[in-house]
Amino acid sequence: DVKVTQSSRYLVKRTGEKVFLECVQDMDHENMFWYRQDPGLGLRLIYFSYDVKMKEKGDIPEGYSVSREKKERFSLILESASTNQTSMYLCASSPIRRGGGYGYTFGSGTRLTVV
Amino acid sequence: DAKTTQPPSMDCAEGRAANLPCNHSTISGNEYVYWYRQIHSQGPQYIIHGLKNNETNEMASLIITEDRKSSTLILPHATLRDTAVYYCIVRPPGDYGGATNKLIFGTGTLLAVQP
Repeated sequence: DVKVTQSSRYLVKRTGEKVFLECVQDMDHENMFWYRQDPGLGLRLIYFSYDVKMKEKGDIPEGYSVSREKKERFSLILESASTNQTSMYLCASSPIRRGGGYGYTFGSGTRLTVV
Repeated sequence: DAKTTQPPSMDCAEGRAANLPCNHSTISGNEYVYWYRQIHSQGPQYIIHGLKNNETNEMASLIITEDRKSSTLILPHATLRDTAVYYCIVRPPGDYGGATNKLIFGTGTLLAVQP
């Protein structure tokens, strides 16, 4: 029972292309996140959203934008893909709850190669 | 910046208990300890979290020291499928979104379960 779905497992794009990475969750979570993962650098947060049409920059937002028009969908956009954006991209979601802890649910990832 | 310290790698024999340590000496009073793992080429998977008391679920047990400056994740009977990178993360409790919801991943511990 997949709960966070990323539209593509593998993607190859050309330098300068506009790239859309889609993520859908079916758990009615308020928060959604985009991370990228690179060898030796671990997971780094690109953008996150805590509500429809709301977004906040993470640690490495340069070269990326996001869109959240519906609660269940969070899109990551590479306006003009570059080779240094070749990476594994991970989407995650979590609920907002006052007090107590809760876990994130991650998708399986999209391995993007920019040539 | 990650606020936890973990050994880079550990080995464990199949069928034995795997004890993964984590130091978080600067943890604040309201911060939870979370554990995630990432099997090769997959997204991270939530395992368990705790605040002060020891916790157990179907996957693992979490032992937090009384001063909360360190914790241990225990996989009671490790199998080959438990080979993964294990991340220990501290973060404040849930809120109405925003920067406090960010998960900050360190480099984790690569657990290799040997047959």
